[in-house]
Parts: sequence; structure tokens; C-alpha cells
Amino acid sequence: RKEVEQDPGPFNVPEGATVAFNCTYSNSASQSFFWYRQDCRKEPKLLMSVYSSGNEDGRFTAQLNRASQYISLLIRDSKLSDSATYPCVVSPLSLATNKLIFGTGTLLAVQP
Amino acid sequence: DAGVIQSPRHEVTEMGQEVTLRCKPISGHDYLFWYRQTMMRGLELLIYFNNNVPIDDSGMPEDRFSAKMPNASFSTLKIQPSEPRDSAVYFCASSLARAGGYEQFFGPGTRLTVL
Repeated sequence: RKEVEQDPGPFNVPEGATVAFNCTYSNSASQSFFWYRQDCRKEPKLLMSVYSSGNEDGRFTAQLNRASQYISLLIRDSKLSDSATYPCVVSPLSLATNKLIFGTGTLLAVQP
Repeated sequence: DAGVIQSPRHEVTEMGQEVTLRCKPISGHDYLFWYRQTMMRGLELLIYFNNNVPIDDSGMPEDRFSAKMPNASFSTLKIQPSEPRDSAVYFCASSLARAGGYEQFFGPGTRLTVL
């Protein structure tokens, strides 16, 4: 079983739609969680961290469910510029390492 | 501020040749990571360093791959001899250790094609 699993998509949605991605992780000791964004032929960049209480950044909302070991990303009012791949990322340990485990990413295509 | 710098941006070589990829992390960052990305396997961590010391090289595919970090501002990933299956995008990333979460900053990547 992969350490981080997510639906590769593609998710094809119209502009203005709300879309949600989920991601599951296998290591219950994981401490830190993130959503990254990767545009085509570009490097991954941090989109947002995911906190236990859930957090929001504009149109983006991230949530963590430790009991079920999944994290989610909700994008409201989708824009064409949101089209990208969204890897979820997990840090397996807390302070001992800065190592990150990347999921393969979910591809989002926002249609005009 | 300059981000993570990688060179070359593109490399085309023939099977059997030696390939050296270079990375300059963000100044002050104490962690450096080498990743490989392919369509089939996604983004894989190859090796990472803390304060120039290799911490975990369990992702290095085989002895043909080696990485060094002679100082805080420079790292290399070498493939010798190269094979067509090594064709991928190789990313270098750096981060600053701190508790409670952190961000890895990626370079633009080196697109390697081995013919």
C-alpha cells in the first residue's frame, strides 16, 4: 500500500464550480500535512498547510481527519487559473526529519 | 531573493554517459532534497541532506546514482552510467528546519533525456 494515496483524476469542472479532493495516508504517526500545487512542466509549490482544526485561505479550505487518516481540499468558485495538479503531502515524523511524502496528485481542469 | 537554482535545465545524453546535475539551495536553508518525477511513479525522494550530511539515501535507485553536498551552497546528483530509464525530471528542494511544519522550496528542475 502506498503511504499517500489520492485519486489522479482528471476532475473536469466548469468555472465557478466547487470541487473537492481527498487523500488518505497510511502512517498513523504522521504529524504534518500539506497541499501542494504543481502546474504543467513546473515545480511543486506549497498551496497550504493542513491543521487539525481545519483551515481556510480564500477560496481554499483544507481539513484533516486523523481518525480516518485522510485530508481534504475544497476549492470554491473555481477559476481557469486553478487548473493544475494538486499533490497531498505528509510528513511521517514530527521533529526528527523534514522528509515529505508526496502523493501522485489530483489533476484539476477548469473549463470555461 | 533567489530561489533554488538548478542546472542544467535540460540535458540530453546517450546511454552510458555520465550525467551531473547541480543544485544551489536557498541561502540559510539547512535541508536539501533530491527528487525524481516521472509520469509512472510520480515524485520520488531520492536522498536528502541535513547540514551537508546525507541523512537518508534509501530512495536512490542503485549504485549508478550518487549525490554529494560539499558545502552548504552546492549539491550534485551524478548518474554513471546513465540509462534510458533514468529519463525524468529531477528536482532539488531546500527547507529550513523548524517545529510544527515547514515548506520545501523546489527548484525549476532538470529535464533529463537519455537516448
